[in-house]
Parts: sequence; C-alpha cells; structure tokens
Amino acid sequence: AQSVTQLDSHVSVSEGTPVLLRCNYSSSYSPSLFWYVQHPNKGLQLLLKYTSAATLVKGINGFEAEFKKSETSFHLTKPSAHMSDAAEYFCVVSVPKEYGNKLVFGAGTILRVKS
Amino acid sequence: EPEVTQTPSHQVTQMGQEVILRCVPISNHLYFYWYRQILGQKVEFLVSFYNNEISEKSEIFDDQFSVERPDGSNFTLKIRSTKLEDSAMYFCASSSNPDSPGYTFGSGTRLTVV
Repeated sequence: AQSVTQLDSHVSVSEGTPVLLRCNYSSSYSPSLFWYVQHPNKGLQLLLKYTSAATLVKGINGFEAEFKKSETSFHLTKPSAHMSDAAEYFCVVSVPKEYGNKLVFGAGTILRVKS
Repeated sequence: EPEVTQTPSHQVTQMGQEVILRCVPISNHLYFYWYRQILGQKVEFLVSFYNNEISEKSEIFDDQFSVERPDGSNFTLKIRSTKLEDSAMYFCASSSNPDSPGYTFGSGTRLTVV
C-alpha cells in the first residue's frame, strides 16, 4: 500500500532562511512522488514531481526535493524563504493506474514565514 | 495556462438536500477525479472517471454519491442527501495520462451542510 508521512505539522522560519519540509513514503511499487502547495482559499498547485528520472527534482518558486530510496524520503527544500511561501504543503504519492489510479496525500505541513 | 474550473466556490445546503458540484476539466484531458478535504484532515480520494465510467472509487464514495460527464466539458459530483459530515472542500482534478502523472486541480468548492 502507498502512504506518506509528513513529519512536521507546522514549520516556522524567518524570511531569507532555508526551508526544510520532511516527507517519508511507503510504496509497494516504484513510486511517483509530488509536492503540492495550497495557499489560503486557493486550489492545490503542483510544485514538483519525481517520476524515476533524476533524484534531485527542481520545481517552481525555487523549491527542490531529493528522492532518497535508501531513506524512503522526499524532503522539500528551498535555500531562502520568502513571505509568499507561507502556505500548506502536501507530500503526495501516486498509485499506478493498474492498481487504482489515485493520489495519496500526506497530512500537510503548514509553513509560516516570519519577517 | 490551462485550468480546471470549479463552481460554485462556496455552497451552503441544508441536511438532506441534494447538491451538485461542477467542474470543467482541461479540454484534452481524459481522466477525471474528485477528492475531498474535511477541515483539519487529509485530502482524500473519492473517485476516478475515465471513458464515461468510474474506474476506481474509495469506501467513502457510497450510494449517496454519483459522478457524471453530462456533456463534453462538464464533470459533476452529486450528493443525493447531504449529511453534516459531508461538509468539506471538494477538489476536482484532471490528467491527460495517469502513467505520466501530472494532475491539475481546481480551486475547490467549499460545501457546508447545516
């Protein structure tokens, strides 16, 4: 079965400092992994995705994530936080089409950016 | 950039009433989905739809729920007799090919059952 665990429900950083949002996954298959962001009263926006190509994935707005199979992790990072990064972030694993064709979401991490 | 459009953005309904949530997926996408997020909980899969039929549904998606693609553009979620616990944000998504996953989500409909 597929699952994701986001290790922190809330993360608070100062503007200009690095961001680290942690995610561990469990998958019976070779996983496709995603990070989505949700700003208040907005929809779910795809930040980046891993689909078995390069293990370091670059996304929008300066975010990147590294797939580490040995650690079953897919942590999201950004070198320097901006106020506009304040949002909720979801780590997501996909279930392949032949096994259900759906996404399994983590519980989310709320990122707060202090000025 | 193409978008998935959901209407309405907010819906308040009385318990026991029927509601229809509407979605316009991206025009060349073939796979359609509904997810929901109860306040304070995870985003949960409800149903996937392909080739005019349900391809997968979760245990949440019971007989009270139905989906339909009534024309070439709309994709709807109907809840026949709403309960208080149906209050949630409902997200529609579409994709062109789930094997190369790139789901696009709509902005959601916040359903409040009173």
